[in-house]
Amino acid sequence: DARVTQTPRHKVTEMGQEVTMRCQPILGHNTVFWYRQTMMQGLELLAYFRNRAPLDDSGMPKDRFSAEMPDATLATLKIQPSEPRDSAVYFCASGLVQETQYFGPGTRLLVL
Amino acid sequence: GESVGLHLPTLSVQEGDNSIINCAYSNSASDYFIWYKQESGKGPQFIIDIRSNMDKRQGQRVTVLLNKTVKHLSLQIAATQPGDSAVYFCAENKGMDVFWGRVSYGKLTFGQGTILTVHP
Repeated sequence: DARVTQTPRHKVTEMGQEVTMRCQPILGHNTVFWYRQTMMQGLELLAYFRNRAPLDDSGMPKDRFSAEMPDATLATLKIQPSEPRDSAVYFCASGLVQETQYFGPGTRLLVL
Repeated sequence: GESVGLHLPTLSVQEGDNSIINCAYSNSASDYFIWYKQESGKGPQFIIDIRSNMDKRQGQRVTVLLNKTVKHLSLQIAATQPGDSAVYFCAENKGMDVFWGRVSYGKLTFGQGTILTVHP
């Protein structure tokens, strides 16, 4: 049963610290998405990649967030420095061109 | 204290009843729609999708209806079960990108969600 995996599942950190979230897409999927979910804003698209190339990161605060795909099996989302307003659940999803997206279990981030 | 955040619509039904969850989408140019189910502590799970050249699509116990005239999408769940209790999101494709000559429906925008509670 192929699934998107995300690590860590939970992260508590202090303001100003760097946070790195990792995602392993479903094998063979060439499109990877990062979303953020909060009570205030709901589910928001931050960025997405196709064949490891960034296609759209317009939803991502550029000054502190960065997203990369070092290889086809790993996507990372970094926040540096982190702020309390970054507290949210971050989801990674993967899919194929013209197919639906499959979500991972999420990373629950709390910045104190 | 006063709570802040999204006030999600709620729907409460009895086990065995049929449920109808509604969604109004915003972009008349959107041509691909998906319903997701999200249980507490989990990521959204795909339920069913529909393209704009269709009005209706059926799955196992679920039916999606699309009314493009009024930009309305609905999800019908037959014989609702307690395990169906979750938040349900509709999503629309608001921006397409063309990849290798094929239109891709990857970029989705999600609605705020509806909380479905099924009572035994």
